[in-house]
Amino acid sequence: NAGVTQTPKFQVLKTGQSMTLQCAQDMNHEYMSWYRQDPGMGLRLIHYSVGAGITDQGEVPNGYNVSRSTTEDFPLRLLSAAPSQTSVYFCASRQGPEKLFFGSGTQLSVL
Amino acid sequence: GQQVMQIPQYQHVQEGEDFTTYCNSSTTLSNIQWYKQRPGGHPVFLIQLVKSGEVKKQKRLTFQFGEAKKNSSLHITATQTTDVGTYFCAGYSGQAGTALIFGKGTTLSVSS
Repeated sequence: NAGVTQTPKFQVLKTGQSMTLQCAQDMNHEYMSWYRQDPGMGLRLIHYSVGAGITDQGEVPNGYNVSRSTTEDFPLRLLSAAPSQTSVYFCASRQGPEKLFFGSGTQLSVL
Repeated sequence: GQQVMQIPQYQHVQEGEDFTTYCNSSTTLSNIQWYKQRPGGHPVFLIQLVKSGEVKKQKRLTFQFGEAKKNSSLHITATQTTDVGTYFCAGYSGQAGTALIFGKGTTLSVSS
């Protein structure tokens, strides 16, 4: 039982490049979400999904796209990376109102 | 939208001293959760409080949920170096299944 798996762990992009952060969970959780963590800003919600085919915006959605075609996977897409998107990204999942399980994070640098 | 505020942002204590972090919400919360993130790690769930006025203990950690369900606190008695990290509160109002909003966290450092 791997829990929540994020790839890659580290990534360096140039401004304007696109990429997808992968997130997969094997706990059959309906709810999945993406957060970004910046110094002094805590964890800010980017997008979330309450089930396959359903996504919604969080606090800081601009510049990011998501889709949820399966229960297991919830990828986060950066269409045109900007230096302001340099951050640590966490994917998390849960079942109902219970605790969140976090992945180990992706450290992204945009030059 | 809902905001969850935490104070202090940083706290440094000597080993053996007590520590408290406070969490306040702009709206009534259906429940509140607490997480701990060790340096370089990911947030890990500590506890969930649901009832008004609820108090729960985990060894040296005491968690409280306010009577109005708009504030909460985490108190650590006799801190140890293993308590180092950032403590987050998180909550959401309304129905289950909506977004969980985190406070900015309190970073605790402990010197021996």
